[in-house]
Amino acid sequence: ILNVEQSPQSLHVQEGDSTNFTCSFPSSNFYALHWYRWETAKSPEALFVMTLNGDEKKKGRISATLNTKEGYSYLYIKGSQPEDSATYLCASPNAGGTSYGKLTFGQGTILTVHP
Amino acid sequence: DGGITQSPKYLFRKEGQNVTLSCEQNLNHDAMYWYRQDPGQGLRLIYYSQIVNDFQKGDIAEGYSVSREKKESFPLTVTSAQKNPTAFYLCASSIDEAYEQYFGPGTRLTVT
Repeated sequence: ILNVEQSPQSLHVQEGDSTNFTCSFPSSNFYALHWYRWETAKSPEALFVMTLNGDEKKKGRISATLNTKEGYSYLYIKGSQPEDSATYLCASPNAGGTSYGKLTFGQGTILTVHP
Repeated sequence: DGGITQSPKYLFRKEGQNVTLSCEQNLNHDAMYWYRQDPGQGLRLIYYSQIVNDFQKGDIAEGYSVSREKKESFPLTVTSAQKNPTAFYLCASSIDEAYEQYFGPGTRLTVT
């Protein structure tokens, strides 16, 4: 089983702060890296699917970078708002397998943005 | 509205009984997935299906069974062989396995 790890486990920031967190994954046999946001009482929602080394994706105030050679991805939130409070999950397909839909998820980073 | 529905939201069963969780999607997606979430753990893949009439075991398939007779439906049966069935179960789908997954609202199963 592929080991996907996220840090920190939880994060508290003030409204307006910018923040970032990390997803690390084995760099061998890399195929893709997914980011999802999971708000309380809602379903997880896809943010990004990243496949290329050096890739950078942006969605509003949220952006992500990918380094496949060293096996990490950063998620950045600029000017955090209370509505950004959620658990942020990253996931990657199992290395060495033949199915790219067989995702292994990290434990998530719980972000709380205080007004 | 296109989306994924799971029913029921809460399910209670006695130990030793099989129970089937429903998952339906009207997104015309080929791939569907079942995950389980336990406190303090990430989502873990139970089963996935890339196409109708085909499915593969995920990381924790023991004690579970699935079927994929229709593109829209991917029911999960939690059998009495599953040692710790109490958990939150999420169903998801994607256009195909290379794309982002869309999740349903989940079913919380409690077995006593």
